[in-house]
Amino acid sequence: DAEITQSPRHKITETGRQVTLACHQTWNHNNMFWYRQDLGHGLRLIHYSYGVHDTNKGEVSDGYSVSRSNTEDLPLTLESAASSQTSVYFCAKATGTEAFFGQGTRLTVV
Amino acid sequence: DAKTTQPNSMESNEEEPVHLPCNHSTISGTDYIHWYRQLPSQGPEYVIHGLTSNVNNRMASLAIAEDRKSSTLILHRATLRDAAVYYCILSEDNYGQNFVFGPGTRLSVLP
Repeated sequence: DAEITQSPRHKITETGRQVTLACHQTWNHNNMFWYRQDLGHGLRLIHYSYGVHDTNKGEVSDGYSVSRSNTEDLPLTLESAASSQTSVYFCAKATGTEAFFGQGTRLTVV
Repeated sequence: DAKTTQPNSMESNEEEPVHLPCNHSTISGTDYIHWYRQLPSQGPEYVIHGLTSNVNNRMASLAIAEDRKSSTLILHRATLRDAAVYYCILSEDNYGQNFVFGPGTRLSVLP
């Protein structure tokens, strides 16, 4: 089993719509993260969580929110999608020695 | 967060060793040095990490300078599959791992 699974892998949405990207992990590790990756910027941290009901803002959190109602899932919500949020999104979890990243979700906002 | 500096790109021939450098002159005493790599169209994957001593695992070796202001990731025999972007990252602890990624080094492996 993959440690981290993201869905969908690809999504196209319209400007102004609410979008939720799913992230699910196995093994119930507490620390989970969302990053976005754009050409020329590397990966930038959006939000992270250290456990159930814990959420924290990262470097580029404006326009995004997360919730952590259980250990396994950390969904990322774009409240009102903007073209500037077109990107590849990666979810990750940390085990204390290493982080595992999902395969990514390519989101296009038109 | 302490920053790292890596060359933008490097080239290697297949089956030869590769030394990927990373400078981190503002590293603090509690910063861990992590290396991740990202293959095309995939998420980053863990390579190795260390604090003060050199480290070896099945994928690579990590050589840390005595003053900890630089480190080198060593791939002992490069394969075509090792072509990727390699990221050197500092983290204040080994647990939270809310990493700050730089642009990394793009490694090309020539057959």
